[in-house]
Amino acid sequence: QITLKESGPTLVKPTQTLTLTCTFSGFSLSTSGVGVGWIRQPPGKALEWLALIYWDDDKRYSPSLKSRLTITKDTSKNQVVLTMTNMDPVDTATYYCAHAPYDHLTLDYWGQGTLVTVSS
Amino acid sequence: QSALTQPASVSGSPGQSITISCTGTSSDVGSYNLVSWYQQHPGKAPKLMIYEVSKRPSGVSNRFSGSKSGNTASLTISGLQAEDEADYYCCSYAGSSTIWVFGGGTKLTVL
Repeated sequence: QITLKESGPTLVKPTQTLTLTCTFSGFSLSTSGVGVGWIRQPPGKALEWLALIYWDDDKRYSPSLKSRLTITKDTSKNQVVLTMTNMDPVDTATYYCAHAPYDHLTLDYWGQGTLVTVSS
Repeated sequence: QSALTQPASVSGSPGQSITISCTGTSSDVGSYNLVSWYQQHPGKAPKLMIYEVSKRPSGVSNRFSGSKSGNTASLTISGLQAEDEADYYCCSYAGSSTIWVFGGGTKLTVL
């Protein structure tokens, strides 16, 4: 049974750096073909893919946000960490992590999401 | 503005069928048979309903089906039920740099 859960601050100030952790179970990021992605959704708006990391440490980023994002993994802790620098109120959103199997290139299991508000 | 274009809303009566379109470009939908559809109820995480254009994950009702023609993918829900009322998002693989692009979402109302 695959589960994922996001954690991190609920409130950050403009210009600060956001650090979110995705803790998962039911799979290992050391297994070939496994990936974890991050997706966000501003209130009342559409989903937006942010970043992806694969078992072999291959990392991909949304071209529009690439300069602000860093994704890393800690295989021993079953965690993936996303950092986003220079936060702005427009970055207010629910942030999701999801299991991303390489052979299907989809996001098949999602965490419950965590709402991050950017405000001074 | 989302990369993939979906109608903002569709509606149907219980028992009817509806189709939601998702229009992309030759760089995403048109180039890869890697379109997914997600269902999202209010306050909940998205749920995968269709992947690789027309495949259903285990546990998803066969009332949900997907197809693609050119740069446009479609999700069809047959035998509409009240619990199908939700937002639906399409998503396409768009190459090794962009990875995924999403549609703007479609609100399905079951009348």
